[in-house]
Amino acid sequence: AQKVTQAQTEISVVEKEDVTLDCVYETRDTTYYLFWYKQPPSGELVFLIRRNSFDEQNEISGRYSWNFQKSTSSFNFTITASQVVDSAVYFCALSERGDTDKLIFGTGTRLQVFP
Amino acid sequence: EPEVTQTPSHQVTQMGQEVILRCVPISNHLYFYWYRQILGQKVEFLVSFYNNEISEKSEIFDDQFSVERPDGSNFTLKIRSTKLEDSAMYFCASSQQGVTNNSPLHFGNGTRLTVT
Repeated sequence: AQKVTQAQTEISVVEKEDVTLDCVYETRDTTYYLFWYKQPPSGELVFLIRRNSFDEQNEISGRYSWNFQKSTSSFNFTITASQVVDSAVYFCALSERGDTDKLIFGTGTRLQVFP
Repeated sequence: EPEVTQTPSHQVTQMGQEVILRCVPISNHLYFYWYRQILGQKVEFLVSFYNNEISEKSEIFDDQFSVERPDGSNFTLKIRSTKLEDSAMYFCASSQQGVTNNSPLHFGNGTRLTVT
């Protein structure tokens, strides 16, 4: 069965600190996709990244970086030099290739960045 | 950039009433979805729709729920007789070729449904 665990329910940091949001997933498929979404206080879901299971290269996009490690079934997200605008709930999600076409979301991590 | 549009942004309805949530997916997309998020909780899959039929539905999507693509552009979610526990944010999403074909999933801004 597929499952996504975000053990950190809430993280608080001060501006300019680096912060890492953890995501651990479970799947029996060898082909799957991992996602991160940001949900700011306004409520919409903002797509951040999609990674397929065959691509373990880490990715950097500005202050954001993602560390995908199949050996530990983790897909962690780091924000460098955090800013107040980064305050949001961040969701990790998993989709398996096969009969299902749905995303399974984790419970989310609420990040609060204080000035 | 094209986007998924949902209306209304907020809907208040009384328990037992029917409600229809509307979505306009991105125009060249073929796969459509509804997700919901009860306040403060995680986002949950409800249903996926392709080629004018439901391709998958979750346990949440019981007989009170239905989806329709009535005119080739809109994609609607109907709740026949709303319950208090249906209060949630409902997200519509679309994908060009489906998530399992490595096609991105685009979400709308959501409709907040409040059942009183």
